[in-house]
Amino acid sequence: DIQMTQSPSSLSASVGDRVTITCRASQGIDNYLAWYQQKPGKVPKLLIYAASTLQSGVPSRFSGGGSGTDFTLTISSLQPEDVATYYCQKYNYDPRPFGQGTKVEIK
Amino acid sequence: QVQLVQSGTEVKKPGASVKVSCKASGYTFTNYDINWVRQATGQGLEWMGWMNPDSGNTYYEQKFQGRVTMTRNTSISTAYMELSSLRSEDTAVYYCARGPTTLSWHDSWGQGTLVTVSS
Repeated sequence: DIQMTQSPSSLSASVGDRVTITCRASQGIDNYLAWYQQKPGKVPKLLIYAASTLQSGVPSRFSGGGSGTDFTLTISSLQPEDVATYYCQKYNYDPRPFGQGTKVEIK
Repeated sequence: QVQLVQSGTEVKKPGASVKVSCKASGYTFTNYDINWVRQATGQGLEWMGWMNPDSGNTYYEQKFQGRVTMTRNTSISTAYMELSSLRSEDTAVYYCARGPTTLSWHDSWGQGTLVTVSS
């Protein structure tokens, strides 16, 4: 089975900073990758699918990139409301594991 | 709007079974897969499998095969996830989540159901 590995596991950045999270698949998955945001105590929320397509209603400061095995989620200007844990998930075929998550905090 | 409303908190003893429901509204239930994801306290998201409400076809993550059963009642637009032979490690919040196409991401999530397994 394909494994999904995120880095870093956590990060702390200042408001307004550009933040990048990486997700790596153990085998190529084309662009079959989604990103989710989970705020503390809340339900996960879809941010991006097909590696770079922004879900409706998601702020444009979020963007996704990559293909094959290496993917990124970028927050162009970190806001206080972006404090959350972010997960990637591959879905090219079953099973569809998530990465272990990246916790984003404000410095 | 799309809504997935799950059943309430459950407390079970080791060895028992639990059945969590997920009632869909705001869309045609049989047109979208229902996935199940769980999350232990302080841990990450763990994908469990999916069910196609139209055909009843299922796929279970290998870790759960033999213990999990995903079913549906199309007349009331409700999906179910039953997990048997519960152990303490199954204590988690269980989410249902809609898949907009076959083999896809999850675009809408239920509110979660806390299942606690304790003697």
